Amino acid sequence: DGGITQSPKYLFRKEGQNVTLSCEQNLNHDAMYWYRQDPGQGLRLIYYSQIVNDFQKGDIAEGYSVSREKKESFPLTVTSAQKNPTAFYLCASSIDYGEAFFGQGTRLTVV
Amino acid sequence: DAKTTQPPSMDCAEGRAANLPCNHSTISGNEYVYWYRQIHSQGPQYIIHGLKNNETNEMASLIITEDRKSSTLILPHATLRDTAVYYCIVKGAGANNLFFGTGTRLTVIP
Repeated sequence: DGGITQSPKYLFRKEGQNVTLSCEQNLNHDAMYWYRQDPGQGLRLIYYSQIVNDFQKGDIAEGYSVSREKKESFPLTVTSAQKNPTAFYLCASSIDYGEAFFGQGTRLTVV
Repeated sequence: DAKTTQPPSMDCAEGRAANLPCNHSTISGNEYVYWYRQIHSQGPQYIIHGLKNNETNEMASLIITEDRKSSTLILPHATLRDTAVYYCIVKGAGANNLFFGTGTRLTVIP
């Protein structure tokens, strides 16, 4: 089935560690996005990518990094520089004027 | 990029129509209006989108005013499963303007 897959669903990280969240899509979409969602809040854009090997910062990029080496994959690394990383992370992909498809999210908890 | 304004919350009786408003007064000519909804702890789900004509699909109807400065999402017969946060978004070409905001929390009451 076509779709967008995030893994893992739940992730625990010790303070000071980097952690990478996976996002894969087989929809042949050019654009991919990462969002962060805190309890009771809307989605905030972290990074987005329009094409392979190109990406731009969103509203809250500090403490995060991404790569886009393949069209299908857009992994997000939460670095130790992110002071409050506990959140729900959502990945999405879209074509230019089409709807965005979202993964089911990764819930990251710092312990 | 155009941003949107939505009421933070609304209630609707089960079986009645739910009308969710959205203001997008700074929308530009090539930007579409999209609606998504998010059920608790899941990824947002696409509902409908339009440019300037009214649109209808199996989930909902979208009414866009003639000046395109506002729109209304209509769920014709709301069910308990429609309880969710509904996001109105304006989006044009490119990947840099998929801005979600805080949405409207719709509660369908039995």
